[in-house]
Amino acid sequence: KQEVTQIPAALSVPEGENLVLNCSFTDSAIYNLQWFRQDPGKGLTSLLLIQSSQREQTSGRLNASLDKSSGRSTLYIAASQPGDSATYLCAVAGNTPLVFGKGTRLSVIA
Amino acid sequence: GAVVSQHPSRVICKSGTSVKIECRSLDFQATTMFWYRQFPKQSLMLMATSNEGSKATYEQGVEKDKFLINHASLTLSTLTVTSAHPEDSSFYICSASLGPNQPQHFGDGTRLSIL
Repeated sequence: KQEVTQIPAALSVPEGENLVLNCSFTDSAIYNLQWFRQDPGKGLTSLLLIQSSQREQTSGRLNASLDKSSGRSTLYIAASQPGDSATYLCAVAGNTPLVFGKGTRLSVIA
Repeated sequence: GAVVSQHPSRVICKSGTSVKIECRSLDFQATTMFWYRQFPKQSLMLMATSNEGSKATYEQGVEKDKFLINHASLTLSTLTVTSAHPEDSSFYICSASLGPNQPQHFGDGTRLSIL
């Protein structure tokens, strides 16, 4: 059974700092891994999707990496801004339906 | 592109009421839509996979007679919570995908509160 773990559960950083969010999964037989952003009481916004054959994806200040063999992914956020404050979820797609981690709650302090 | 609209955004109703939630893909056709449930500070848990024109596939532990799913067209899926009780209070989110191994696009969710 696929399990997805995100560390840390919460993170508070000053504005401008670069930061890394971690995601690990137990079953490396995945099709893709996706990072989402969720604002309080809202749905999910897709940030980046990495196919199993890819190592990383970049979008603006965001960079996500994937090491399928070790079951890990990281989301790097450069030059963080208060508007980046949200919960970040990673999810893996494989033989089972999309499995989500519990998320990392990020607060960027101005 | 790939916008998913979910309605209503919030529902407050009495115990025993049935509640219908709609999920629409606005600018694409989705043969498959997904329904998730999220408790406070918890992860999203898949409830069921909704396939256009066929019966939904429910995850283990999800009562299909309580959570009725209809996917009558390529752009609309509905979730009906029948005879809702306070324990059904949760955040329900739908998503739609353009196809296998494609990103899922999520609605804004429905906050359901049963009094």
